[in-house]
Amino acid sequence: QVQLVESGGGVVQPGRSLRLSCAASGFTFSSYGMHWVRQAPGKGLEWVAVISYDGSEKYFADSVRGRFTISRDNSKNTIYLQMTSLRAEDTAVYYCVKDHSIVVLTNGDYWGQGTLVTVSS
Amino acid sequence: EIVMTQSPATLSVSPGESATLSCRASQSVNSNLAWYQQKPGQAPRLLIYGASSRATGIPARFSGSGSGTEFTLTITTLQSEDFAAYYCQQSNTWPLTFGGGTKVEIK
Repeated sequence: QVQLVESGGGVVQPGRSLRLSCAASGFTFSSYGMHWVRQAPGKGLEWVAVISYDGSEKYFADSVRGRFTISRDNSKNTIYLQMTSLRAEDTAVYYCVKDHSIVVLTNGDYWGQGTLVTVSS
Repeated sequence: EIVMTQSPATLSVSPGESATLSCRASQSVNSNLAWYQQKPGQAPRLLIYGASSRATGIPARFSGSGSGTEFTLTITTLQSEDFAAYYCQQSNTWPLTFGGGTKVEIK
């Protein structure tokens, strides 16, 4: 079965950096795009970023473009979200999400349980 | 970016009744629309993709319809486990965007 396990969350001061990881299993990781989606406490869902199956395509939400980068290591079945210049409004649970379609980028289907990032001094 | 607007924000329904949730896009997203269900403390679950295709393991009481800018999620014969928040998401244009959600609560 598909498993996505996020890690790397925690408390970080404004302006600092943090890297999230997501370890995937149960599917052919190198064939699927992967997304990050976040949810601020008590709020709705916000799509953050996506990376294509081979890393050649990357797209970002306007709110994080230029501050966040996404990458993947297909040899380790892992994706990463490097977050820099963190702001209080980046405080959220960050979910790793597998894309629904093979090769093509569409919406997500399977979600991890999320990792909480708190930006606070 | 495409703005997704869901209505109503909260829907009060009795068990056994039906619920109709709406999602409107600020410009056409063709049929590139997904619906997710989220229960408190849990990660979201994909219900519908391509506007009307049910995801694996999703009961037939969930159905999606629409194209372009107007979409609907219908839940017939609401079960206790269906009371949750529902989100639509467009995947037609980058950046992807979610609607603000509809909370279906017990009446």
